Amino acid sequence: AQSVAQPEDQVNVAEGNPLTVKCTYSVSGNPYLFWYVQYPNRGLQFLLKYITGDNLVKGSYGFEAEFNKSQTSFHLKKPSALVSDSALYFCAVSAGGGNKLTFGTGTQLKVEL
Amino acid sequence: EPEVTQTPSHQVTQMGQEVILRCVPISNHLYFYWYRQILGQKVEFLVSFYNNEISEKSEIFDDQFSVERPDGSNFTLKIRSTKLEDSAMYFCASSRDRALIYYEQYFGPGTRLTVT
Repeated sequence: AQSVAQPEDQVNVAEGNPLTVKCTYSVSGNPYLFWYVQYPNRGLQFLLKYITGDNLVKGSYGFEAEFNKSQTSFHLKKPSALVSDSALYFCAVSAGGGNKLTFGTGTQLKVEL
Repeated sequence: EPEVTQTPSHQVTQMGQEVILRCVPISNHLYFYWYRQILGQKVEFLVSFYNNEISEKSEIFDDQFSVERPDGSNFTLKIRSTKLEDSAMYFCASSRDRALIYYEQYFGPGTRLTVT
């Protein structure tokens, strides 16, 4: 069975400061890891994914994520947060060559001036 | 940019009633999915659909659920006899192909189903 944990329901950060949204996973086999973002009244939008290769993955809107196999983590990061980054962020995992995504509960990111 | 759309945005129904949730996937996509999120819980996979067949389903997707692609554009989820515990946000998604290594899943905004 595969699972994802997002330990923080909400993350608050000041604009211009770096942000981190945490994600840990559990799978059998090699993981495919994803971050999605959801703005109000919109669908989940794909941000980035890790399949293989470099542990640091770069995605949309200046976001990046670091895959750490030993810690089974895939934390989302951005060097300088914007107020417009405020949204709900979901981490997801798939494994075994399947196309079923398993999501975490989501983390609400609030960026304030 | 093409989007997955879902209707209605909010559906209220009484326990025991049938509901149909509708989705219009992105036009050149071949794989379709339904996920749901009960309030405060994780987004859960329900079913994937390809070539007019279910390709994978979760244990949640029991005989009360069915999916259909009635025409070239719509993808529907039917719940035959709703229960209180079916209250959730239902997300439709689509992808060009199966392999997540190459093709992301694109999600709609969701339908909030409330069963009273």
